Amino acid sequence: EAGVVQSPRYKIIEKKQPVAFWCNPISGHNTLYWYLQNLGQGPELLIRYENEEAVDDSQLPKDRFSAERLKGVDSTLKIQPAELGDSAVYLCASSLGLAGGPYNEQFFGPGTRLTVL
Amino acid sequence: AQSVTQPDIHITVSEGASLELRCNYSYGATPYLFWYVQSPGQGLQLLLKYFSGDTLVQGIKGFEAEFKRSQSSFNLRKPSVHWSDAAEYFCAVRRRGGGADGLTFGKGTHLIIQP
Repeated sequence: EAGVVQSPRYKIIEKKQPVAFWCNPISGHNTLYWYLQNLGQGPELLIRYENEEAVDDSQLPKDRFSAERLKGVDSTLKIQPAELGDSAVYLCASSLGLAGGPYNEQFFGPGTRLTVL
Repeated sequence: AQSVTQPDIHITVSEGASLELRCNYSYGATPYLFWYVQSPGQGLQLLLKYFSGDTLVQGIKGFEAEFKRSQSSFNLRKPSVHWSDAAEYFCAVRRRGGGADGLTFGKGTHLIIQP
């Protein structure tokens, strides 16, 4: 079974440019998460989707970040415009959500490493 | 607010030696507890988890962790490390009843294995 797929794996852009990251979760996983991982830090939740609904986006900087999960499967995270401080790894994870019971293991993709010059 | 503390940024261990990585959490009630491992260029992989019951939990790759409520700790151990264990290790928590909530992670401990 395929895991969580993310693309691109690496992205280098100049500041003020837009950038988008794509995530394909594990088939059948209703819940999708985007995390931000700065260098030397643990991941921090940006947004959580239950199917196509964003149910927790309290940590998403909405002035420049946006996300969507059309049809409740794939998701795209966008930054416009990018700033130097956005250089980080963006991780996508998925889970069965409430259907997964108390364990509800989250499965992580390899991430997209963004460098803003 | 919930928080996770991993006091050791780096740990160096000789191959074959034992390992203990520390994790302390701050939370209103005992949360669900997790340990993840992240190898370079790889996604996070779940090593083990604790929800209730036996406070010593076994995980994959020969790892175990012990939950101590009195110390708000969930330390990860391995009796004999292998060179392939070199990686970044993250402790994480999630509130009880928050089945689909996101995880709160510590800053991680970088494990270096000496030959």
